[in-house]
Amino acid sequence: KAGVTQTPRYLIKTRGQQVTLSCSPISGHRSVSWYQQTPGQGLQFLFEYFSETQRNKGNFPGRFSGRQFSNSRSEMNVSTLELGDSALYLCASGIAGGHGSYNEQFFGPGTRLTVL
Amino acid sequence: GQQLNQSPQSMFIQEGEDVSMNCTSSSIFNTWLWYKQDPGEGPVLLIALYKAGELTSNGRLTAQFGITRKDSFLNISASIPSDVGIYFCAGPLYGGSQGNLIFGKGTKLSVKP
Repeated sequence: KAGVTQTPRYLIKTRGQQVTLSCSPISGHRSVSWYQQTPGQGLQFLFEYFSETQRNKGNFPGRFSGRQFSNSRSEMNVSTLELGDSALYLCASGIAGGHGSYNEQFFGPGTRLTVL
Repeated sequence: GQQLNQSPQSMFIQEGEDVSMNCTSSSIFNTWLWYKQDPGEGPVLLIALYKAGELTSNGRLTAQFGITRKDSFLNISASIPSDVGIYFCAGPLYGGSQGNLIFGKGTKLSVKP
């Protein structure tokens, strides 16, 4: 069974640009979550999607947005990039999300975004 | 926001030694997850715990869900060089979504052959 895939793996952008990152969950998984990882703040939750609906959102500015498609694939977008947005962006998928037990989250390899 | 306090921040041990790390919180968690992350990769799930007091093993790894629901520990026995990496505890808050995880800051493990 293929794992979570993320594209691209590496990205370099300049301040003010926008970027779109893509995530394909494990087959059969309907929940997709996004996290930002930086040396200073660690892993921080961005948002969670289930059945094309945003279920939860973390404490990030509105420049960070996302969406989920009917095939459960997800994209996140960051507009008006700032230097501080440089980070490893991780996507995780789970069978259902929500409050159920035995619903582990599996992570992809991440997209390393560098903002110059 | 909610935090998980993970300790120690780093460990430098000799191959063959046992390792212990833990995570505490002021809030109740209904799930505790332990992940390992290698440089340039995403976290890999090692152990998932769902019941207070639960003790679960995965090879040389053993983790426990504290009975207060506010802590968890991970032990690694007879460490080997491939155990090197950063170990994270994580979990959703009690009543929260499994897709919304709070992470500890990580324990960086170095193993000397």
